[in-house]
Amino acid sequence: SQTIHQWPATLVQPVGSPLSLECTVEGTSNPNLYWYRQAAGRGLQLLFYSVGIGQISSEVPQNLSASRPQDRQFILSSKKLLLSDSGFYLCAWGDLSYEQYFGPGTRLTVT
Amino acid sequence: GIQVEQSPPDLILQEGANSTLRCNFSDSVNNLQWFHQNPWGQLINLFYIPSGTKQNGRLSATTVATERYSLLYISSSQTTDSGVYFCAVASGGSNYKLTFGKGTLLTVNP
Repeated sequence: SQTIHQWPATLVQPVGSPLSLECTVEGTSNPNLYWYRQAAGRGLQLLFYSVGIGQISSEVPQNLSASRPQDRQFILSSKKLLLSDSGFYLCAWGDLSYEQYFGPGTRLTVT
Repeated sequence: GIQVEQSPPDLILQEGANSTLRCNFSDSVNNLQWFHQNPWGQLINLFYIPSGTKQNGRLSATTVATERYSLLYISSSQTTDSGVYFCAVASGGSNYKLTFGKGTLLTVNP
């Protein structure tokens, strides 16, 4: 069966520091991969998606970037964090029917 | 882009009660999912239902694609059903890009 991992689970970082969040998927090949952010107040916003290695599409211009160095690895990065980057970051993978499955998330607080 | 509206925004029930959550969307869809977000933040897949009716235990869902809405039914609610329920849709050629509604916060009291 497929499993999706995210780490770290929680992170507190000062403004201006770099960021690297990692997501890996097991048990499937060539999945679509997604990064979402959930700010306080519920809504989820799609940040990036990838349909293959090295292929990244950005949905929202912002202080973040994404990379897919391996088939089942998706990384969310920032060179300098802003206070507005705080939130709950969720990685998801999609199967051939495009149904999406979510990881446990990373709770980021920028201080 | 496509708009997704969920109602009600908040719902409080006594254990054992039934409820219906609604999701309206502004365009035809080729992907619709219902999720439950538990208190720890985990998003749990409930249904993948771009059309038709499905049932899973006490939960069932119906999507009427021609009328652009989906309903999630919860019967005999339990305290563990508490959390936020999200509807998410995709449309057009971007059936892999989900747009989420703002969710329904369900609280089930013992």
